[in-house]
Amino acid sequence: AAGVIQSPRHLIKEKRETATLKCYPIPRHDTVYWYQQGPGQDPQFLISFYEKMQSDKGSIPDRFSAQQFSDYHSELNMSSLELGDSALYFCASSLRGGDDEQFFGPGTRLTVL
Amino acid sequence: DQQVKQNSPSLSVQEGRISILNCDYTNSMFDYFLWYKKYPAEGPTFLISISSIKDKNEDGRFTVFLNKSAKHLSLHIVPSQPGDSAVYFCAASGGGADGLTFGKGTHLIIQP
Repeated sequence: AAGVIQSPRHLIKEKRETATLKCYPIPRHDTVYWYQQGPGQDPQFLISFYEKMQSDKGSIPDRFSAQQFSDYHSELNMSSLELGDSALYFCASSLRGGDDEQFFGPGTRLTVL
Repeated sequence: DQQVKQNSPSLSVQEGRISILNCDYTNSMFDYFLWYKKYPAEGPTFLISISSIKDKNEDGRFTVFLNKSAKHLSLHIVPSQPGDSAVYFCAASGGGADGLTFGKGTHLIIQP
């Protein structure tokens, strides 16, 4: 079965640079979520989109923005990167109106040097 | 303020026995609860969920129990197998497109 696809899988950036992470949800899923997991931490919810509109907002820094496109894929844009942004970034998708299970992608490991 | 708490950072269980992982929550607005299994450097894998209108949900070797009055849920794995060794996260949601709130996780180790 098709799963959530994230790209790139690994990304290395310098401080103050920008990064863009991409997420392709499971086919027919209309809701996308972004999470950040720091070393030894639990995943922290950043933001979600339903039908291309922002749905819920968590602890997303102002330096980050995200959007969902007409084909339901989503991009997380991160600017003015800081060392503390180094983390695993997970995307998850679900079908609104379904059983609400969120299915996670393999993650993007971002390292800021 | 941790709204979802998993108080056992690790748990060791003998193969074939029952594994019981516990989770407590504080937010009364949570109405949907999920358990995920996670290996290092991989995304969480959905295991089982339960809605607040139920007190039990079973799927194969996995059973989740919900005690709403105590704001407590547990995941039972029986019989435990070596492949069950992983970190297990409890998560809660207010429903819809709400983000999940995760606990800190419990590292389950199945001893041969």
